Amino acid sequence: AQKITQTQPGMFVQEKEAVTLDCTYDTSDPSYGLFWYKQPSSGEMIFLIYQGSYDQQNATEGRYSLNFQKARKSANLVISASQLGDSAMYFCAMREGLNAGGTSYGKLTFGQGTILTVHP
Amino acid sequence: DSGVTQTPKHLITATGQRVTLRCSPRSGDLSVYWYQQSLDQGLQFLIHYYNGEERAKGNILERFSAQQFPDLHSELNLSSLELGDSALYFCASSVVPQGGSDTQYFGPGTRLTVL
Repeated sequence: AQKITQTQPGMFVQEKEAVTLDCTYDTSDPSYGLFWYKQPSSGEMIFLIYQGSYDQQNATEGRYSLNFQKARKSANLVISASQLGDSAMYFCAMREGLNAGGTSYGKLTFGQGTILTVHP
Repeated sequence: DSGVTQTPKHLITATGQRVTLRCSPRSGDLSVYWYQQSLDQGLQFLIHYYNGEERAKGNILERFSAQQFPDLHSELNLSSLELGDSALYFCASSVVPQGGSDTQYFGPGTRLTVL
């Protein structure tokens, strides 16, 4: 079964509008982290935002916010006031489990990505 | 700029050859991860090193190997290359905060083309 599912292969948004990119995840581990990365056409992977499974509040970073619905196992990325430079591929990723000392580290499992195109 | 460097940026080689990809983590980061991004497999975890020791392996082929050196830079060695090894190879580094959660910062990637 897919651990991370991004159901929108492509999304279009008008400049200055908000857009939501969907991500659902599947894990039986109570401790996990959810990440969003942006990959522009140049190819690099840029970290955007992180949400821990025990975080009570939804994560926000500037124009990015994460709509975390734990019971639904969804972690949608909301980009407000879209800009032309937001056009890129967006990946949702998950890290599962806790390590020694209560720290969390380890491999990321990625979804297939959503291509966002911002129109002027 | 994430602070993670990878060399070379592009690599074109022939089937059967061997190549080495190099990664320098951000200053202070002890963890290095390697990922492969291909059109058919997406982004896949290959291997994780922490302070010179291998910590976890993903779907890494036996033809592939990696190591992390005392100065914390890492190398990914790919041998007996096949056409299907053509991909974008990323290195990511992180620091693991005590009792916290790490964030992986990715390098710009090495694009490998096997002809």
